[in-house]
Amino acid sequence: NAGVMQNPRHLVRRRGQEARLRCSPMKGHSHVYWYRQLPEEGLKFMVYLQKENIIDESGMPKERFSAEFPKEGPSILRIQQVVRGDSAAYFCASSPSQGDNSPLHFGNGTRLTVT
Amino acid sequence: GQQVMQIPQYQHVQEGEDFTTYCNSSTTLSNIQWYKQRPGGHPVFLIQLVKSGEVKKQKRLTFQFGEAKKNSSLHITATQTTDVGTYFCAGRPPRAGNKLTFGGGTRVLVKP
Repeated sequence: NAGVMQNPRHLVRRRGQEARLRCSPMKGHSHVYWYRQLPEEGLKFMVYLQKENIIDESGMPKERFSAEFPKEGPSILRIQQVVRGDSAAYFCASSPSQGDNSPLHFGNGTRLTVT
Repeated sequence: GQQVMQIPQYQHVQEGEDFTTYCNSSTTLSNIQWYKQRPGGHPVFLIQLVKSGEVKKQKRLTFQFGEAKKNSSLHITATQTTDVGTYFCAGRPPRAGNKLTFGGGTRVLVKP
């Protein structure tokens, strides 16, 4: 039973380029969350999605950032025109159902470096 | 908005000693979860507390949920080098949907 799969594991982009981060939830999980982590800091909520729906994007910057979870395929976190401040670890997590008792299962993360 | 705070931010512990880390929320929580992240790794779910005053144990780890459901603690006895990592608490206020808010974490370093 594969866990949450994220790729790439490491991503290097120059300023102004686009970054695409992919996340496949655990089998049977329909809820996906994206979190951002700066070195020595906590996990900052970005967005929560279900298939084809954005449920809560209150943690997403208004510009340059977008997320989707299509009917088929992985969830994508897209960062346009990256800047140095976007350098961070981006973790995806999934849970099986709605309901506030579900623990989150995290992927290994994508470590984005903007040069 | 809801805030979740953890103290201390760093905990240096001599191997074999005990320590406690604390988690405080600005709002009442429907439940609280604890995660552990090893250096270079990803957060891994440890445990969930739901009831007011609940206490749960996992081997040398004891988790407690406050009576008012606004704070929690993690106590580790006889610390081992395998306990190294960052411990996060995370909570959801009632009727706030599935958004899970994490504390800043306590980074545990063990001195052999």
